[in-house]
Amino acid sequence: GAVVSQHPSWVICKSGTSVKIECRSLDFQATTMFWYRQFPKQSLMLMATSNEGSKATYEQGVEKDKFLINHASLTLSTLTVTSAHPEDSSFYICSARDPGLNTGELFFGEGSRLTVL
Amino acid sequence: AQSVTQLGSHVSVSEGALVLLRCNYSSSVPPYLFWYVQYPNQGLQLLLKYTSAATLVKGINGFEAEFKKSETSFHLTKPSAHMSDAAEYFCAVTGSSNTGKLIFGQGTTLQVKP
Repeated sequence: GAVVSQHPSWVICKSGTSVKIECRSLDFQATTMFWYRQFPKQSLMLMATSNEGSKATYEQGVEKDKFLINHASLTLSTLTVTSAHPEDSSFYICSARDPGLNTGELFFGEGSRLTVL
Repeated sequence: AQSVTQLGSHVSVSEGALVLLRCNYSSSVPPYLFWYVQYPNQGLQLLLKYTSAATLVKGINGFEAEFKKSETSFHLTKPSAHMSDAAEYFCAVTGSSNTGKLIFGQGTTLQVKP
């Protein structure tokens, strides 16, 4: 199946700094990628839809200035958590569809655990 | 709009026993339905998917699910649980094969006792 890779898997940062998480589709081109956030013992909450070459579409309640999304190429989307605070600590997961499959299935990255001290 | 409800946030079974994880959906368009599994600190792995073909869907690791339109359900089953099946399971729905958002249920933690 299609492969989506995230980097880094773990990141620890100080409060007030910014952190960038990368999401790559390794064997297909993804015009759309999705970013999810997951708190411990909870489900995945969709944060935003990342569109190649255009602005991301954010879900209600997600601060677009806090969570910057850039989708500059067909294989790379980045999520930057700006001025991170402890409440931003979470597990962030990206996903993408392989447009050649036409099944609606999402392929997920391994996830990135962010801890803000 | 779509939504998913997973009944039971925690299910505990004995090794070798039947596994049944419940999922009910709501969708204004014909749905595509999925079951994913998540192990600790990992991403999600697809178990199986329903995409309007056969209503009984077989997936990996011996899991299967049946789409019942009349009951708006897509319950996940496995005849005999293994210890390695202990994980978090998510049911998800989308209304589009290529552009729609995937909406997840709350998740069900499966515990398998020796």
